[in-house]
Amino acid sequence: DAGVIQSPRHEVTEMGQEVTLRCKPISGHNSLFWYRQTMMRGLELLIYFNNNVPIDDSGMPEDRFSAKMPNASFSTLKIQPSEPRDSAVYFCASSPDRLAGGLSSTDTQYFGPGTRLTVL
Amino acid sequence: QKEVEQNSGPLSVPEGAIASLNCTYSDRGSQSFFWYRQYSGKSPELIMSIYSNGDKEDGRFTAQLNKASQYVSLLIRDSQPSDSATYLCALGNAGKSTFGDGTTLTVKP
Repeated sequence: DAGVIQSPRHEVTEMGQEVTLRCKPISGHNSLFWYRQTMMRGLELLIYFNNNVPIDDSGMPEDRFSAKMPNASFSTLKIQPSEPRDSAVYFCASSPDRLAGGLSSTDTQYFGPGTRLTVL
Repeated sequence: QKEVEQNSGPLSVPEGAIASLNCTYSDRGSQSFFWYRQYSGKSPELIMSIYSNGDKEDGRFTAQLNKASQYVSLLIRDSQPSDSATYLCALGNAGKSTFGDGTTLTVKP
């Protein structure tokens, strides 16, 4: 299996520009997660999807951020307009999301290589 | 109070020693507990998961969980320089995970 695929690996843009990050989860995984990691704030969950449906977007910092998952094999995270404080490494992760006793249990998350975003 | 607390370190141990990493959490509803390792410039990778009280061993790694004390730890025996990394504690509940800020471990030859 190819693992979680993210693109681009590096992105440098100027303040005010639109940025789109892409993710292809591992085939067969039901859950997809977007994280942001900085030295100051650590690893923060932005949003997660289950079966292509957004379940929790409480971590999305503001309206400039949006995420979509049009099908089981593709997701995007968009920042419009971008700001210097958005500079971070953005990780996508997927999980097989097992069902146990009628409840979803969080299983291992497999992380992509990340996108290092620099907003000048 | 953060949901997941870890000592930021850095924790330094000599090669061959036991490294002990600790994590406390506040959400009693957490059902699953994980330790991820993250090398500098790389993405987190799972090294241990534990779901019930007690110890779980996998090679040189032992995870310990005490739900009553809301405490989870990771022991690394016979530490190697290749174990030098940041170790993230994570707890799972309702389909998602919450991560601690990580403890940086350095194993000196």
